[in-house]
Amino acid sequence: EDKVVQSPLSLVVHEGDTVTLNCSYEVTNFRSLLWYKQEKKAPTFLFMLTSSGIEKKSGRLSSILDKKELFSILNITATQTGDSAVYLCAVNWGAQKLVFGQGTRLTINP
Amino acid sequence: KAGVTQTPRYLIKTRGQQVTLSCSPISGHRSVSWYQQTPGQGLQFLFEYFSETQRNKGNFPGRFSGRQFSNSRSEMNVSTLELGDSALYLCASTMRQPVGETQYFGPGTRLLVL
Repeated sequence: EDKVVQSPLSLVVHEGDTVTLNCSYEVTNFRSLLWYKQEKKAPTFLFMLTSSGIEKKSGRLSSILDKKELFSILNITATQTGDSAVYLCAVNWGAQKLVFGQGTRLTINP
Repeated sequence: KAGVTQTPRYLIKTRGQQVTLSCSPISGHRSVSWYQQTPGQGLQFLFEYFSETQRNKGNFPGRFSGRQFSNSRSEMNVSTLELGDSALYLCASTMRQPVGETQYFGPGTRLLVL
């Protein structure tokens, strides 16, 4: 059965800290892995990863994929309170269908 | 470019009733996917439509159905509502890229079944 597992499920850090969120998957016919940020509303797109070892970067956020070991990480440096959200990892296995992980709830304390 | 729009945003129904939710994708996007999000189960795939045809379906009972119109707008219908159908229903519009697809979500419809 296709599945996506995120860890940790919950994380509380202080403003300015660096965090690393993990996503591992077991999916057949992998096409891409996507990261989303969800606050109170619908998820917003962060990154799409398709190739191993190539880092995607956007400001303080970065992500990388390891297709051999079947995982991805999302890094956030110099965290701010506005980074508090649920971060979702999803895998697209080529059938226009995303399989989502449970999400990591990140809380940044001032 | 306008984003994905969903209507209504909030809905309260009682058990046994039926409900229809609407989604308009981003202009030019032809694929629309529907998801159910609950605190216990997270985000779960319902179905996906492309060019008025259902291409994929998740593991939901037949009470959940959908359709897509020629202008790519999609509707989702749930019949004989149950308490457990209370959830945030999200619609996603897919942008196809050479190396994969990216889905952009609408604001969702929050359904409460009493």
